[in-house]
Amino acid sequence: QQQVKQSPQSLIVQKGGIPIINCAYENTAFDYFPWYQQFPGKGPALLIAIRPDVSEKKEGRFTISFNKSAKQFSLHIMDSQPGDSATYFCAASMGFGNEKLTFGTGTRLTIIP
Amino acid sequence: DAGVTQSPTHLIKTRGQQVTLRCSPKSGHDTVSWYQQALGQGPQFIFQYYEEEERQRGNFPDRFSGHQFPNYSSELNVNALLLGDSALYLCASSLGGVAEAFFGQGTRLTVV
Repeated sequence: QQQVKQSPQSLIVQKGGIPIINCAYENTAFDYFPWYQQFPGKGPALLIAIRPDVSEKKEGRFTISFNKSAKQFSLHIMDSQPGDSATYFCAASMGFGNEKLTFGTGTRLTIIP
Repeated sequence: DAGVTQSPTHLIKTRGQQVTLRCSPKSGHDTVSWYQQALGQGPQFIFQYYEEEERQRGNFPDRFSGHQFPNYSSELNVNALLLGDSALYLCASSLGGVAEAFFGQGTRLTVV
């Protein structure tokens, strides 16, 4: 029940395309869903996060779509650029005192020029 | 404003040895969490420190221990190192009660 399942494992998209990465969870106690971007040899960087009371959140070129009834959420990257090539992780955590992050397995995204 | 800083960046140890990794949280943050990231995997939660106490612990053996100091900085200690402990060790800081966590660049530990 603690797992977060992420797909696809890898993704290749042409510059300007819209890569979509999907995650699913089982534990309905999760109430915070962040996405992290990680470059080789670096720590994960927080991109954008959402709570279950909204269905969509946009920050710049990044959008999270959230489907509470299906227990799924996804990351969309608009107008993708080669510099977006990185590994993306979805994660989930619960409330106060239980903020540990449970991560998905990651998606290696490559944007080709 | 410095973010989360970790030291050292790289470390090579021999099987059976002990290692200490250090983390300074982002300014204003009081909660530190440690994660282990094996190659090609997502980070796995080790434990979290808040108010100098271990508040949560993941599924890691007692060989993994930690400490938080009054200035909120933290150490991760691993005893009796195994080859399988080779990984990127990440420290994340947050403000108590707030879910948003920021990660350091990690310490790459290699056990030979």
